[in-house]
Amino acid sequence: GQNIDQPTEMTATEGAIVQINCTYQTSGFNGLFWYQQHAGEAPTFLSYNVLDGLEEKGRFSSFLSRSKGYSYLLLKELQMKDSASYLCAVRSYTDKLIFGTGTRLQVFP
Amino acid sequence: NAGVMQNPRHLVRRRGQEARLRCSPMKGHSHVYWYRQLPEEGLKFMVYLQKENIIDESGMPKERFSAEFPKEGPSILRIQQVVRGDSAAYFCASSNPWTSRTDTQYFGPGTRLTVL
Repeated sequence: GQNIDQPTEMTATEGAIVQINCTYQTSGFNGLFWYQQHAGEAPTFLSYNVLDGLEEKGRFSSFLSRSKGYSYLLLKELQMKDSASYLCAVRSYTDKLIFGTGTRLQVFP
Repeated sequence: NAGVMQNPRHLVRRRGQEARLRCSPMKGHSHVYWYRQLPEEGLKFMVYLQKENIIDESGMPKERFSAEFPKEGPSILRIQQVVRGDSAAYFCASSNPWTSRTDTQYFGPGTRLTVL
């Protein structure tokens, strides 16, 4: 079966750090992606992990542990514009993306 | 350096009509994917196509839905005899595994279909 779990909602304060967790159980694994989606807009690519460890990209970092079926997205120095949904997606061996339901992040001043 | 293009952005149909959604992939991309997003739900894979070939249609409903990606022109997602439950945002994504180490899928702005 295919199952990807993320928290539904999170809140944080401007300037803070937030960690969004994602656990997955899929029949195949060919990489994990994080996308950002503002309301009414297209998902935009944030990060990609296929090997265990941390990938850092400016204010955003993503971590993967394949043995635990676990990833997180770390957002530092939060800004108001970071208020959006964050989507965790596992790529299958047939290249399709399997998405979680997304985590809606609200950043408050 | 245009990204993935989709049209129309908004489409309104009455029950029983046909809906045609178009997707032009990013320049140089030969792989197209269609996803559906119902209100307050995650994106669900529908179909994966390469030029003139359907690679994986495991997410397509068995009836009324079809997709194509001809040699020339955009990819088309066609929904016949639409019902209210088809109301959703339909996103197209494209990729090029030959030039991208990560084979990232880049998404278009989506078509929001409303069935009255």
